[in-house]
Amino acid sequence: DAKTTQPPSMDCAEGRAANLPCNHSTISGNEYVYWYRQIHSQGPQYIIHGLKNNETNEMASLIITEDRKSSTLILPHATLRDTAVYYCIVRFDSGTYKYIFGTGTRLKVLA
Amino acid sequence: NAGVTQTPKFQVLKTGQSMTLQCAQDMNHNSMYWYRQDPGMGLRLIYYSASEGTTDKGEVPNGYNVSRLNKREFSLRLESAAPSQTSVYFCASRPGLHGQETQYFGPGTRLLVL
Repeated sequence: DAKTTQPPSMDCAEGRAANLPCNHSTISGNEYVYWYRQIHSQGPQYIIHGLKNNETNEMASLIITEDRKSSTLILPHATLRDTAVYYCIVRFDSGTYKYIFGTGTRLKVLA
Repeated sequence: NAGVTQTPKFQVLKTGQSMTLQCAQDMNHNSMYWYRQDPGMGLRLIYYSASEGTTDKGEVPNGYNVSRLNKREFSLRLESAAPSQTSVYFCASRPGLHGQETQYFGPGTRLLVL
């Protein structure tokens, strides 16, 4: 699985959009980009995933660059409850069962 | 559905003691995973089970053993606990079918080894 690079921490004002970047320059053609978050010391929670097209669900949007070497997770209207560590993972969608997390980005939403 | 459950929630051990962490899922998932998370760090994969009857090493398997007892249950055993194994342990499962790669995590077991 490709390695990812994320900034260790970010701040965002409550009500503003939070844009979390992820670099995955060694991603291969059939690897997906997944995002999870971990609030306080709870188990990680799935947010969204995508292959090459931009994706949106009720929690967030995922923007993947055309060359697929980087992506951005967007929380459109951040709230205090979005304060968490956000993990970007790239992996194949089948066959490889290993699921490797990095160190993530610690997002702090400020009142 | 309870999802992924883990027992115990907390445990204190002395160096050299053994214990088994239990994990169960009621979502009929094929694949299950054990991770550890040290303070301020990301999750590291200890062992995983792609399907019932199979187990494989992850990033940090030393000092641990696992058993996939059946499709629902995946246990993690520490034979001789060491202070370096003080951590929070998370179990996870996923369907293990093509196109269904989302993992679902349990609440964690907090282990302190003195």
